[in-house]
Amino acid sequence: RKEVEQDPGPFNVPEGATVAFNCTYSNSASQSFFWYRQDCRKEPKLLMSVYSSGNEDGRFTAQLNRASQYISLLIRDSKLSDSATYLCVVNAGGYNKLIFGAGTRLAVHP
Amino acid sequence: EAQVTQNPRYLITVTGKKLTVTCSQNMNHEYMSWYRQDPGLGLRQIYYSMNVEVTDKGDVPEGYKVSRKEKRNFPLILESPSPNQTSLYFCASSLLGTSLGEQYFGPGTRLTVT
Repeated sequence: RKEVEQDPGPFNVPEGATVAFNCTYSNSASQSFFWYRQDCRKEPKLLMSVYSSGNEDGRFTAQLNRASQYISLLIRDSKLSDSATYLCVVNAGGYNKLIFGAGTRLAVHP
Repeated sequence: EAQVTQNPRYLITVTGKKLTVTCSQNMNHEYMSWYRQDPGLGLRQIYYSMNVEVTDKGDVPEGYKVSRKEKRNFPLILESPSPNQTSLYFCASSLLGTSLGEQYFGPGTRLTVT
């Protein structure tokens, strides 16, 4: 089993739609969680950290469920510019190391 | 401007010809790391460094070497490249501790080994 698993997609949604991605992680000692965004053939960039109480940044909401060991990303009112691959990232508990999921591809169409 | 730079951006080489990919950051970050990205596998860590002269293996270190003689630089060395090292490589840096998850990535180096 992979340490961090994501549905690869693609998720094809119209502009204005709400879309949600889930990511599961296997190490219950994981301490911190993040979502990164990666545009085609570009470097990943931090989108947002995921806090235990959940957090929101504009149209983006991230949630953490420690009991079920998953994190989620909700995008409301999708824009064409949201088209990208979203990477789930977990800090392996007790180590100076990040584990990256393989990513979920989102395609927003007019 | 805060940034991580990598060179070269694109490289085509032949099996066995030693090469070095440079990485430099101007943010005074302690932590630097090299990843490779392959379709369906995501980013996998090759080596990382928590400070000058401190390096450690990641998940896929075979066939690679690194050094950290200065805080800003973290070159990746392929002593004898093979076709299975054809990949997209990213260098990244961050502060340590709770900021580890806030990695800054370089633009990537696309390597093809024939």
